[in-house]
Amino acid sequence: NAGVMQNPRHLVRRRGQEARLRCSPMKGHSHVYWYRQLPEEGLKFMVYLQKENIIDESGMPKERFSAEFPKEGPSILRIQQVVRGDSAAYFCASSASQDNEQFFGPGTRLTVL
Amino acid sequence: KNEVEQSPQNLTAQEGEFITINCSYSVGISALHWLQQHPGGGIVSLFMLSSGKKKHGRLIATINIQEKHSSLHITASHPRDSAVYICAALYGGATNKLIFGTGTLLAVQP
Repeated sequence: NAGVMQNPRHLVRRRGQEARLRCSPMKGHSHVYWYRQLPEEGLKFMVYLQKENIIDESGMPKERFSAEFPKEGPSILRIQQVVRGDSAAYFCASSASQDNEQFFGPGTRLTVL
Repeated sequence: KNEVEQSPQNLTAQEGEFITINCSYSVGISALHWLQQHPGGGIVSLFMLSSGKKKHGRLIATINIQEKHSSLHITASHPRDSAVYICAALYGGATNKLIFGTGTLLAVQP
């Protein structure tokens, strides 16, 4: 049973470009969470999704960031017009149901030049 | 003030020592995670617990719901245990999000 998959593992973008980060949850998991870890800082919640629904996006910046978890395919975290401050590690986690243990992916390290 | 506090922030131990990392949280939670992260690496879930105690190999996690406090213990520490250990509170309900402590950087010297 494969774990949580994220790709790409490393992503380099120039300022103003778009970044798309993908997360495939563990088999059988329908709850996905995105977390961000800024350099030298702790992890922070961004968004919680269940298939086709955004449940809680209270940690998402109001502009340029969006997330989706379609019926088919991976969850996508999309950052438009990236800025240097978006450089961070973005981790995805999944769980089988609400309140169940969350399992983390390896993360995507985004560098904005 | 962070909702989840960890101590110590940094910890250096000699191989074989018994290690304790503490975590306290300010409001009621549904469960608490202990996570391990190696520098530049991914995050591994060590435990999720909502009461009592769990043990896995040389790792033991305890939680006291009334005191809003949890501890992670490592017995017979080894250099390969060197990593950042993070506690994260699960607030459950509709939000189901984790609130993370700042992490404890552990270095176990041979």
